[in-house]
Amino acid sequence: AQTVTQSQPEMSVQEAETVTLSCTYDTSENNYYLFWYKQPPSRQMILVIRQEAYKQQNATENRFSVNFQKAAKSFSLKISDSQLGDTAMYFCAFMSLTGANSKLTFGKGITLSVRP
Amino acid sequence: KAGVTQTPRYLIKTRGQQVTLSCSPISGHRSVSWYQQTPGQGLQFLFEYFSETQRNKGNFPGRFSGRQFSNSRSEMNVSTLELGDSALYLCASSLDGFYGYTFGSGTRLTVV
Repeated sequence: AQTVTQSQPEMSVQEAETVTLSCTYDTSENNYYLFWYKQPPSRQMILVIRQEAYKQQNATENRFSVNFQKAAKSFSLKISDSQLGDTAMYFCAFMSLTGANSKLTFGKGITLSVRP
Repeated sequence: KAGVTQTPRYLIKTRGQQVTLSCSPISGHRSVSWYQQTPGQGLQFLFEYFSETQRNKGNFPGRFSGRQFSNSRSEMNVSTLELGDSALYLCASSLDGFYGYTFGSGTRLTVV
């Protein structure tokens, strides 16, 4: 079974600064996807970024980028130029591509606060 | 295009009752998954439906069931409610179940 670990329960960052959220995972599989989701107080989970394990290049989406270290099973999210609207819970998630196993396994999440 | 719609947004039920939650996926999405979110357990996978068939199931008791209709809309049912079933229930849809899921805003269920 896969596990996803987010060891930092809370982080705080000043507006316009850069922050990195950590995530590690454990799997014996070789083909999988990794995701970061954001959950603001509105409760809706919003996909921030996705990484395919077979791609060596780190994914980027505007101010969001990841540092994917497959051997170390590490998948951190970097948020540049933090904005007040980035305040939310962030979840790291794993999805196996083996068979029909299309479920997401989530970490416990990290609460990010952006200070004005 | 419209997102994933979950109804109702809030629900209060009494122990022992049953409840049905509804999810309308994004048009064209054939995969619908359900997750339970609680402060203690975090986000846990309940089940996934693809083209009206249950394709995956999480480790929940048989009191939790679901179904998917031909228009891809899905319902989740919980029978004989327990206090521990109080949670945010999230529905997510995807084209094929792998590319990435779009989530709804959830149904907050409170069991008293």
